[in-house]
Formats: sequence, C-alpha cells, structure tokens
Amino acid sequence: GAVVSQHPSWVICKSGTSVKIECRSLDFQATTMFWYRQFPKQSLMLMATSNEGSKATYEQGVEKDKFLINHASLTLSTLTVTSAHPEDSSFYICSARQRLAPSTDTQYFGPGTRLTVL
Amino acid sequence: AQSVSQHNHHVILSEAASLELGCNYSYGGTVNLFWYVQYPGQHLQLLLKYFSGDPLVKGIKGFEAEFIKSKFSFNLRKPSVQWSDTAEYFCAVNALYNTDKLIFGTGTRLQVFP
Repeated sequence: GAVVSQHPSWVICKSGTSVKIECRSLDFQATTMFWYRQFPKQSLMLMATSNEGSKATYEQGVEKDKFLINHASLTLSTLTVTSAHPEDSSFYICSARQRLAPSTDTQYFGPGTRLTVL
Repeated sequence: AQSVSQHNHHVILSEAASLELGCNYSYGGTVNLFWYVQYPGQHLQLLLKYFSGDPLVKGIKGFEAEFIKSKFSFNLRKPSVQWSDTAEYFCAVNALYNTDKLIFGTGTRLQVFP
C-alpha cells in the first residue's frame, strides 16, 4: 500500500516552454501533497504544499507564478513549470500524505521527474 | 527554526559490518521521526517511523532506530549490512504542531562492499 506515482519520469524541453508533471496517490486518498526539488547529491527542498480544493502554499523563495500547482482531486496533484529555463532543470519529487490516525501523518514519495531544459 | 543534522555524510563498510547512522534534530516540542532510503536510481522509500511509545523502532530490511529524547537523536542501526544496503539514507522530522513540514537531513551515502 501507500504507492505514489509520477508522470513523466523524465522530460526534456526547450527554454520558454511549459511542462506539466503529475503526481498520483494510487491506493489512498491524499488531501495534502507536497512538491520538492532535489539537487544532485543534496537533500530535498520543499517547494510547496498542495491542498485539495484550495490554493497551494509556497515556501519562501519559490515563485508561485512559475510553479503552478493544482490539486484537482484527492488522488492527483499537478505541478506546471511555466516558461522553463535551464536553471529550472532539476529532479522534482512529489509526496502524498497519508493520515491513518491523528498525529501519525506519513509522507510517501513518488519516483521523481527529471526535468532538463535546453 | 527546526533543523536536522546527519553527521555522517559518507560511510563505507564491508558486508556484515554493523551500521549506525546519526541523526539529531533541533526542536523542543513533540516530534514525529522518520528514516527514508533512496536506492540508486530509485525513489525515496520509508524505512521506519516513530510517533510515540517504544523508543526502539523496527523497520523493514532489518533496520531499527532508537529515539533518545534527551539527546534529540534518532540514530539508525543495522547489525549486519549487505551490499544491497548501498543507498542514500535520509532522516526527517516533523513537529506535531505542523505535520505538513517534513524537515530532511542532508543525507548519508552508504556504500557497502562485498
């Protein structure tokens, strides 16, 4: 149980184009999903918290107009990188929060999406 | 601000050696604690978690971790490592007052040689 998928697993795009990444919780409902970036040989950096039915909450320094998040259902969140530039090239990872009981929130992670902007 | 420290950045062991990876956090309140593992080319997987109760937590693949509240630590252990344990290990913490914010350590790269 607690499986999270991401699509696509990798994408190459030209500078200036937009890219959409999907994150799905396959066997549980997630009112909250999270989007992270992982730089080579570094830890995960939280970008934003995606809440079903409401606006995402962005971490300080993350441009909300560049990284559009939509949490359309209890099993799907999307991250759209708008007008992508080479500096946006990175490994994007989503997670979905499973809450089986109060105070027992556990995040399960997707396999990540490697974005390369040429 | 909350932070998580993993002091061992790179650990190299031979098979059958014992493993202990350190994790310390800075937050005085009640926390939930996690260890995740990222095998080469794969995604983050949950190894084990601590919410409350017995401070010695057993996870998958023979791993365990001990929560020592007085030391703000949650060290990961395995009595005998295998080559297949080669991976990146991340400690993560969230405070009960804000379980949305999962704070990760910088990770420890473990290499196990046959």
